[in-house]
Amino acid sequence: GEDVEQSLFLSVREGDSSVINCTYTDSSSTYLYWYKQEPGAGLQLLTYIFSNMDMKQDQRLTVLLNKKDKHLSLRIADTQTGDSAIYFCAEIRWQGGKLIFGQGTELSVKP
Amino acid sequence: EAGVVQSPRYKIIEKKQPVAFWCNPISGHNTLYWYRQNLGQGPELLIRYENEEAVDDSQLPKDRFSAERLKGVDSTLKIQPAELGDSAVYLCASSQSGTAQETQYFGPGTRLLVL
Repeated sequence: GEDVEQSLFLSVREGDSSVINCTYTDSSSTYLYWYKQEPGAGLQLLTYIFSNMDMKQDQRLTVLLNKKDKHLSLRIADTQTGDSAIYFCAEIRWQGGKLIFGQGTELSVKP
Repeated sequence: EAGVVQSPRYKIIEKKQPVAFWCNPISGHNTLYWYRQNLGQGPELLIRYENEEAVDDSQLPKDRFSAERLKGVDSTLKIQPAELGDSAVYLCASSQSGTAQETQYFGPGTRLLVL
């Protein structure tokens, strides 16, 4: 199947870490992505990880990939109110192919 | 460098009317994608172009939807006639083939409301 699953909501306090989880079904995925969507806006690429990597860190963002369990997570350190948005994970099966998106996780950051 | 440009940003039409969306990809990107995003969902691919050729249109409802990418740059997506269920955000994305990850960059989208 083509399912990419995410929890729908996450609420954290400003300054805490946020962890957004994603599971996918296709072991042939080559790249996995995290996009951010603010209200009324398009999708902003946050980061991506190649399927042969376990971890990628980019400033406040840490991506962890467990290929055995087909589990992807995005950790945001020191979460700020400006991080409030919907976060989508997506997989791609081959270069230039279509992205398969999860349904998005709405992150709410409370002051 | 300019990002993906889409117009219009918003469109309200009555059902059975035609509507068209326009996309200008990032300069030098030869792959162009149209996605549809329903409320509360992730985007789903409608059509993918490599230059001017549609290489994946399996998810495009061909009875009412059409798309073109003349000269392999700008693209237009058309719906005729529109139905109530077509209300959604239509996103255009582009990528550059030949790069390792061929990251797709998205435009701001066109929000369509069919009444």
